[in-house]
Amino acid sequence: DAGITQSPRYKITETGRQVTLMCHQTWSHSYMFWYRQDLGHGLRLIYYSAAADITDKGEVPDGYVVSRSKTENFPLTLESATRSQTSVYFCASIAGRTSSDSYNEQFFGPGTRLTVL
Amino acid sequence: AQKITQTQPGMFVQEKEAVTLDCTYDTSDQSYGLFWYKQPSSGEMIFLIYQGSYDEQNATEGRYSLNFQKARKSANLVISASQLGDSAMYFCAMREKVNDMRFGAGTRLTVKP
Repeated sequence: DAGITQSPRYKITETGRQVTLMCHQTWSHSYMFWYRQDLGHGLRLIYYSAAADITDKGEVPDGYVVSRSKTENFPLTLESATRSQTSVYFCASIAGRTSSDSYNEQFFGPGTRLTVL
Repeated sequence: AQKITQTQPGMFVQEKEAVTLDCTYDTSDQSYGLFWYKQPSSGEMIFLIYQGSYDEQNATEGRYSLNFQKARKSANLVISASQLGDSAMYFCAMREKVNDMRFGAGTRLTVKP
């Protein structure tokens, strides 16, 4: 199906383990994003990517690693999970170049609920 | 610094009545976009409405309208004729750069029958 998919949808892991959250989009959108959602904070940007092999930090990047070898995939890795990384993670994408004041809808995946014990 | 402020953690509205969800933002840029998203209990983020900083008219999408007051830096969402299905979290967001969309903490709206 077309759109953005995330896997797994739910994940429980233990402190210190490595976890990778997958994000796949079928539109060939240039920009992809990873957000985390926590109570009282809304969504906060972890990392983004403007194109394959181009990634950059967002507001809360510490403890996370991303890669983008293919346009359609944007995995997020927690190298050594901590309890503070318990959150809901959303992947998102935008079609292409846009100015900040231009309408260009940001599409979101369904989210991954991660619990770190 | 908080760029997007939603001062109402929770709101109640009677079915069929209108409700306004508040959003103020902070930016020194002249060019930016404002968005509202709905997040039902199922968790997905649903785009509702968009307002560009240079748009002179308030945006409308069906029962949703955005009350844009640029000088006050406010972008309130108005939902007319509330329905039970409108019960959800609502997030205001601002995009100053293509790679930087900032979200408010959200308002939980409950529609009473």
